[in-house]
Amino acid sequence: EAGVAQSPRYKIIEKRQSVAFWCNPISGHATLYWYQQILGQGPKLLIQFQNNGVVDDSQLPKDRFSAERLKGVDSTLKIQPAKLEDSAVYLCASSSGTGRSPLHFGNGTRLTVT
Amino acid sequence: AQSVSQHNHHVILSEAASLELGCNYSYGGTVNLFWYVQYPGQHLQLLLKYFSGDPLVKGIKGFEAEFIKSKFSFNLRKPSVQWSDTAEYFCAVNESTGRRALTFGSGTRLQVQP
Repeated sequence: EAGVAQSPRYKIIEKRQSVAFWCNPISGHATLYWYQQILGQGPKLLIQFQNNGVVDDSQLPKDRFSAERLKGVDSTLKIQPAKLEDSAVYLCASSSGTGRSPLHFGNGTRLTVT
Repeated sequence: AQSVSQHNHHVILSEAASLELGCNYSYGGTVNLFWYVQYPGQHLQLLLKYFSGDPLVKGIKGFEAEFIKSKFSFNLRKPSVQWSDTAEYFCAVNESTGRRALTFGSGTRLQVQP
């Protein structure tokens, strides 16, 4: 079984620039998550999709972050404009359902904002 | 809102020592509980999970965890650690009903010295 694919692995940008991350979940997984992991902290949920609908985006800073999952498969997370505090690892995860279904994580994208 | 506390941020043990990592959560209802592990250079992966029934659950690689409802705790244990257990360990929780995503603790970095 192929795992969750994320790209790029690393990205360095200057503040006020924009950046986009891509995620392809495990085939057949209906639920897709984006988490932000700041150094020394645990992953924090940004947005949860079920198929192509949003289940929870209550912690997404909507003035600068956006995410979409148009065809219910892969997803893109965008930051525009970036701030220094956005430096983090952005993790994508997928699961076959919700609740008890375990999450399968990608390797993440490490973003550095200078 | 639910939250998860992991009080041990960094633990250093010698091989063959016993391990116990603390995890406490705050939520008044019924929960699903998980431990995830991230080995150096790898993605987060599921170590074990608890939904209901026997409060002592066993996971991969000799790990186990005990759910104590009265203490809102789900501590991770291993009788004898190996150098290969060096990793970061995350406790996570979500409501057992509904579609809420996992809330993660801040993680415990375990370093096992040979």
